[in-house]
Amino acid sequence: NAGVTQTPKFQVLKTGQSMTLQCAQDMNHEYMSWYRQDPGMGLRLIHYSVGAGITDQGEVPNGYNVSRSTTEDFPLRLLSAAPSQTSVYFCASSYYRDSNQPQHFGDGTRLSIL
Amino acid sequence: SQELEQSPQSLIVQEGKNLTINCTSSKTLYGLYWYKQKYGEGLIFLMMLQKGGEEKSHEKITAKLDEKKQQSSLHITASQPSHAGIYLCGADGLLGAQKLVFGQGTRLTINP
Repeated sequence: NAGVTQTPKFQVLKTGQSMTLQCAQDMNHEYMSWYRQDPGMGLRLIHYSVGAGITDQGEVPNGYNVSRSTTEDFPLRLLSAAPSQTSVYFCASSYYRDSNQPQHFGDGTRLSIL
Repeated sequence: SQELEQSPQSLIVQEGKNLTINCTSSKTLYGLYWYKQKYGEGLIFLMMLQKGGEEKSHEKITAKLDEKKQQSSLHITASQPSHAGIYLCGADGLLGAQKLVFGQGTRLTINP
């Protein structure tokens, strides 16, 4: 049981490049989400999904796209990277939010945009 | 999230001392979560509180949710170097259903 797996762990991009951050979970969780963590800002919700084929925006969705074709995977796409997207990105999963279950987090992807 | 305010933002304590971290919202909290993050790592779930007045403990860490369900505190007794890290509170429903949002975190340093 691997939990939530994020790849890559580190990445450096140039401004304007595109990239996909991968997230996979093996706990059959319906709910998956992406956060970014910046100094002094805590974790901010980017996008989330309540099940395959269903996604919605969080607090800071601009510049990011997501899709959920399977229960297990929830990739985050940066279409045209900007320096403001330099951050640590966390993927998390849980049973439905209204079940009041804690989220399980991956180890994060540290992304630098030059 | 601005919906959830943590204080203090950073805290330096001597090993063996007690400390408290607060998490406050202007709205009612339905499901309040405490996580710990070691530097450079992911988040580890500590405790969840749901009911007003609820209190939970694990080892030397105690979390409480006030009766009004708008403030939670995390108290560490006899702090140890292993308690160092970033503590984050998170809550459901503050920005709408299905959205778990977090405070800005409290960075805890334990001096030997």
